[in-house]
Amino acid sequence: SQTIHQWPATLVQPVGSPLSLECTVEGTSNPNLYWYRQAAGRGLQLLFYSVGIGQISSEVPQNLSASRPQDRQFILSSKKLLLSDSGFYLCAWSVSGQGVEKLFFGSGTQLSVL
Amino acid sequence: EDQVTQSPEALRLQEGESSSLNCSYTVSGLRGLFWYRQDPGKGPEFLFTLYSAGEEKEKERLKATLTKKESFLHITAPKPEDSATYLCAVRANTDKLIFGTGTRLQVFP
Repeated sequence: SQTIHQWPATLVQPVGSPLSLECTVEGTSNPNLYWYRQAAGRGLQLLFYSVGIGQISSEVPQNLSASRPQDRQFILSSKKLLLSDSGFYLCAWSVSGQGVEKLFFGSGTQLSVL
Repeated sequence: EDQVTQSPEALRLQEGESSSLNCSYTVSGLRGLFWYRQDPGKGPEFLFTLYSAGEEKEKERLKATLTKKESFLHITAPKPEDSATYLCAVRANTDKLIFGTGTRLQVFP
């Protein structure tokens, strides 16, 4: 069966420091991968998605970037964190059923930028 | 503009007190509607997909229904372990996936 691993679970970083969050998927090949951010009281916001190695699409201009160095690995990065980057970050992968993609999420990373 | 609205924002129930959560949507063509359960500090857990009006899905004490304008998540005789935030998401013809802000459910013994 497919599983998704995301780490770390929590992270406290000072403003201006770099960021690297990693996500890996097991049990499937060539998955579509996603990074979402969830702010308190707001819906999930799509940040990046990837349909293959090296293929990254950005949904929202921001201080973050994403990379996909391997088929089942997705990394979210920043060179210099801002206070506004605080939030709950979720990695997800998708599978299609009846022609419609549905998402499965990782356990999330709570990022606090101080 | 595509939009998904969930109500109520929060719901407190006594154990065994059945109720419904609402997800209303305005999108340019519905391709699928999804329900997720999210526990505090965790990622959303997939519950159901509904594809067309009239469709229903069930899992234990949960039943999801779909009309052309909204979906309901019915919770029958809830237990404290059903306490969580329930998220609704809609996949539109544009292929965008739009999430609601969720309903926070608390079930008290």
